[in-house]
Order: sequence, then structure tokens, then C-alpha cells
Amino acid sequence: RKEVEQDPGPFNVPEGATVAFNCTYSNSASQSFFWYRQDCRKEPKLLMSVYSSGNEDGRFTAQLNRASQYISLLIRDSKLSDSATYLCVVNRPDRGSTLGRLYFGRGTQLTVWP
Amino acid sequence: DGGITQSPKYLFRKEGQNVTLSCEQNLNHDAMYWYRQDPGQGLRLIYYSQIVNDFQKGDIAEGYSVSREKKESFPLTVTSAQKNPTAFYLCASSNSRTSGLYNEQFFGPGTRLTVL
Repeated sequence: RKEVEQDPGPFNVPEGATVAFNCTYSNSASQSFFWYRQDCRKEPKLLMSVYSSGNEDGRFTAQLNRASQYISLLIRDSKLSDSATYLCVVNRPDRGSTLGRLYFGRGTQLTVWP
Repeated sequence: DGGITQSPKYLFRKEGQNVTLSCEQNLNHDAMYWYRQDPGQGLRLIYYSQIVNDFQKGDIAEGYSVSREKKESFPLTVTSAQKNPTAFYLCASSNSRTSGLYNEQFFGPGTRLTVL
């Protein structure tokens, strides 16, 4: 079973729409969680961390459900510039690293159309 | 400007040749990482290093080698033993002293390697 699973999409939504992405992780020892954004042929960039209580950054809201091992990202009032691939990323302890290791989902592709 | 640089941006290699990808950071980060991304796939860890002169294999280290002689630099060599080297290679770094298991990683712009 993959460490991190995401619906690959694509999601095609009009400007102004609300869209939600979901992600599940398999290892209950996972300790920190992130959403990264990756534009076409570019590097991933951190969009937001995901905290247990849920957190919001402008139009973006992230939620974590540890019991269900489930993470979500909600984008409200979608903009054309939100078109990108969104990567669900999980950090869990690893024998070789005091920092743990990141595990990446395959990404969910979003296209926002005018 | 602080950040991570990778060079070259595009690299073409003939089969049977070794090639070295550069990664440099001026963020004063202790930890550095190499990932490989194939179309439609998640990032896969090749090697990582938490301190100078030490590095660990990731999930797909076969056919690759690294060195960490300086804190700022973590070059990756793709050897002729790597069977399918055509991919997008991403270098990342994180600050082990503040991140702990938070481990926020910052990425360089990547190198696209094509084997002809």
C-alpha cells in the first residue's frame, strides 16, 4: 500500500468555485503534514502545513483527521492562478534520519477556467 | 537572495556516460536531499544527508552516488548503472536545528535529464 494516496484528478472548475482535495496516509506514526503546490515543469513549493486543529490561510483551508488518517485541502473562490498540481506530503519517523522522511502523493491536478 | 540552485537546468547524456548534477544552497541548512520525479509519479527519495561527510540511501539509490564535502553542496552523480535515468531531478534542503520532525523542505528549480 502506498504511503500517501491522492485522487489524481484532473479537477476542472470555473473561476470562483470551491474545490476540495483529499488525501490518505497509511502510517499512523506520521507526525507532520503539508500541502505543496507544483506548477507545470517547476519545483514543488510549500503551500501550507496542516495542523491537528485545522488551519486557514486566506482562501485555503487544511484539515487533518488523525483517527481516519485523512488530510484535506479546500480552496474557496478559485482563481486562474490556482491552476497547478497539489501534492499531499507526510513526514514520519525514519531510522536513518532525526528529521524523519517526507513521503509524497502523486498529486492532484487542478485547472481553473475563466 | 537565499535559496537553492541547481545546474544545469537541462542535461542530455548518451547511454553509458556518468553525469553529475549540481545542488548548492546558501540557507545554512544542515540537511539536503535528492529526489527523482517521473511523469504522473510522486517524488521518490534517492539520497539524503543530514550533516557534512555523512549521507544515507533513500528508496531508489541504485545507480546513483552522492558526496557531501561541504555544507552548501550536495552533488548527485547518475552513473551508467542507472537503467532509466531520464527524469526530473529535484534537490531540497531543510533546517534540522529548527524543524525537528516538522521537516519543512525547500526545493531547487530542478534538472531535467534526458538520456539519448
